Amino acid sequence: ETGVTQSPTHLIKTRGQQVTLRCSSQSGHNTVSWYQQALGQGPQFIFQYYREEENGRGNFPPRFSGLQFPNYSSELNVNALELDDSALYLCASSFFLDTGELFFGEGSRLTVL
Amino acid sequence: AQSVAQPEDQVNVAEGNPLTVKCTYSVSGNPYLFWYVQYPNRGLQFLLKYITGDNLVKGSYGFEAEFNKSQTSFHLKKPSALVSDSALYFCAVRDQAGTALIFGKGTTLSVSS
Repeated sequence: ETGVTQSPTHLIKTRGQQVTLRCSSQSGHNTVSWYQQALGQGPQFIFQYYREEENGRGNFPPRFSGLQFPNYSSELNVNALELDDSALYLCASSFFLDTGELFFGEGSRLTVL
Repeated sequence: AQSVAQPEDQVNVAEGNPLTVKCTYSVSGNPYLFWYVQYPNRGLQFLLKYITGDNLVKGSYGFEAEFNKSQTSFHLKKPSALVSDSALYFCAVRDQAGTALIFGKGTTLSVSS
């Protein structure tokens, strides 16, 4: 069973740039969620994708967008980067509407200078 | 609104002693509760969950949690702490829509030898 994998693991951008983060879900899972974890904070829900469509969204502006592909992998795109976007971005996979746990990847650490 | 509170930023315990990491929640309806652990610069690892059934839930690495509906608590426990248990622990509740986990701010557990 293949776990959740994310890339890149670390990256540095400057304010105003755009970034794309990638996630491969665990084998068999059809739903992908993205979370932002700022330093010293708990993860915050950004959005969830199911059947290639956004299925729910947290309190994040439209410059945070995503994609899910037919193989259930996913991308998180952030435009017009701000300093406060510096965080660990976590991808999690699951079955749609399953009440069980989410399976998280190791995360992508984004630093915005 | 649903929320989770972890009242302690840090818990210190000696190896071999019992440990408790506290969590209280606020939800409408039946709660789906989770505990995750995070090691430095890593993703979240699932420990255990409460969906329904017995109030005492057993999970990974010898951890257990007690669901108390009247006190709206879901405290994480372990009878005998190990130095390797030192990490950041997050309590979470599934949101009403079933799409997201709402996390607490986390509690750092430090086990001394």
